[in-house]
Amino acid sequence: KQEVTQIPAALSVPEGENLVLNCSFTDSAIYNLQWFRQDPGKGLTSLLLIQSSQREQTSGRLNASLDKSSGRSTLYIAASQPGDSATYLCAVPGSSNTGKLIFGQGTTLQVKP
Amino acid sequence: DAGITQSPRHKVTETGTPVTLRCHQTENHRYMYWYRQDPGHGLRLIHYSYGVKDTDKGEVSDGYSVSRSKTEDFLLTLESATSSQTSVYFCAIRTGNPNTGELFFGEGSRLTVL
Repeated sequence: KQEVTQIPAALSVPEGENLVLNCSFTDSAIYNLQWFRQDPGKGLTSLLLIQSSQREQTSGRLNASLDKSSGRSTLYIAASQPGDSATYLCAVPGSSNTGKLIFGQGTTLQVKP
Repeated sequence: DAGITQSPRHKVTETGTPVTLRCHQTENHRYMYWYRQDPGHGLRLIHYSYGVKDTDKGEVSDGYSVSRSKTEDFLLTLESATSSQTSVYFCAIRTGNPNTGELFFGEGSRLTVL
């Protein structure tokens, strides 16, 4: 059974710092991995989708990497800003061919001005 | 937002009453999902659909039913709401292939069962 873990559960950094969020999964036979952002009281916003054939994806100040063999993904945020404060979730597809995702518990990030 | 609309966005109801949440999409995607999000449990799949009249259970389907009579609408029904079903419910759609496509979420429906 696929399990997804995100460490740390919470992170507080000063503005301008570069930071890394971690995601690990137990079954490396995945098609892709998706990173989401969730603001309080809001839905999830897709940030990056990394296919299994890719090693990383970039969008602006965000860079996500994927290492299937070790069951790990990282989300790198460069030059963090207070507006980056949110909960970040990673998710991988479940074992069946249905497209449903298994989510980690998330990392809540606070960027202090 | 991939054209996803959830309604109602907020609802307060009493134990034992039926409740239906609606998810509407404008882009004709085949795969649709209902998740619930609770503190300490994260996001858990309730039901999903892979086409009109094609649905299946997720990991927390007890007490819930779904229907999909049209591609654009996926309904989640609580036949007799209980306090344990107080939660935030999210609808999601998957673009493209179920294995490689991207998942997009609606804004959520906050349900309180008194």
